Parts: sequence; structure tokens; C-alpha cells
Amino acid sequence: DTGVSQDPRHKITKRGQNVTFRCDPISEHNRLYWYRQTLGQGPEFLTYFQNEAQLEKSRLLSDRFSAERPKGSFSTLEIQRTEQGDSAMYLCASSALRDNEQFFGPGTRLTVL
Amino acid sequence: GIQVEQSPPDLILQEGANSTLRCNFSDSVNNLQWFHQNPWGQLINLFYIPSGTKQNGRLSATTVATERYSLLYISSSQTTDSGVYFCAVARRGSTLGRLYFGRGTQLTVWP
Repeated sequence: DTGVSQDPRHKITKRGQNVTFRCDPISEHNRLYWYRQTLGQGPEFLTYFQNEAQLEKSRLLSDRFSAERPKGSFSTLEIQRTEQGDSAMYLCASSALRDNEQFFGPGTRLTVL
Repeated sequence: GIQVEQSPPDLILQEGANSTLRCNFSDSVNNLQWFHQNPWGQLINLFYIPSGTKQNGRLSATTVATERYSLLYISSSQTTDSGVYFCAVARRGSTLGRLYFGRGTQLTVWP
């Protein structure tokens, strides 16, 4: 069990560019979550996958954001036409169906210039 | 959504002191987790405690679900305990399990 991993750990981009983040959950976990955290706040929910199905999306997830989990294993989160307000830490978590204790990855820190 | 309130927002202690962090939530829950966020931003799991009491070394936690609060106790604090402590809950009755986080307690432990 290597834990949840995320790549890249840091991303600096210019406004208007597209970025993609990857999350690899704990291998036996069916559930995968994306959260976003801004300075001084707790993480906020973005979206949830159970296996490959995306079952819930937050209002925070505008149409510039898209997430996939194509084979029910790793997931990607893409942000198109980035804005300065997208600067944040993007956190991925996974859990088993039996109890939903969520385990978080190290996060991807996005800075939009 | 569920409202999660943590107190105090900031706590400054000298090494060796004990502390209690509180988490109040506004609805019935089927998941409650305490996390410690390290300086690099990683959320470290401390407790999964939707009800009852658990202990792990110098840390312990109690959740009284019927009264909608949880407490995290830190005894004999060390400088390595510094960081932000988050409480997060998931609503009872939801099968999706999204967590609602409080704003955290910033703990600073001085040597």
C-alpha cells in the first residue's frame, strides 16, 4: 500500500493555458474524490467517482473543469483556460466502499500567473 | 450542506501543555475524520471517528453524534504537533460520502 499519489506536485502556468493533474488512488479503493483548498480555508469538494462513474459534481466545478476516471483506477482533472482564481491546492482522496474513511494524496499546488 | 465549525481558530502552546480542539456540526453524520495538515499541505489521517472514543498515543478523540460535536485531545504537546487540524464530516443518509470541512485550528507549539 503506497498511499494516494498525485502528479505534478507543483504547476505554474499562465492565464489561459490548459492544465491536467493526475491522481492514483490506493489500489483497492473504489471511491475517488477531488477537493480544492485555498489559503486559510478547509478543502472544498469538487467531484466524486465510484469506479469509473462520476456520480457527483459540485457547483464549484465550472464548465472549464472536467474530470475522468476511465478504467476505474487513476483519475485526471483538467482545467481549461485557466484563470488566476483557479490558483489553489488540488487534493485527491480515495476510500473503500465499506466505511468511506478517506485518505488524501500530497496535492497539486497550482499557480496561475 | 453541513456546517462545520471548529474552535478555537488559533491556539498557541508551550511544549508539554495539553489542549482540546472542538468540532461542531449541524446535521447527522455517518463519517467524521480528524486530519493534521503538515507544512507541505498533506492531510494526515488522525482519527476516523463517527462516534465513540479512540486513542492513539498522545492523541485521543471523542465524538458525541447525538449532540453533534467531536473533541480532539492532544496531551504533552510537542513542536512537531504544530500545523492545522481539520475536522471533516459526511452527511448521514448520503451514499456518496463527500466530506465537509471546517476552517481548521492553527496550532503552534513553542519549545
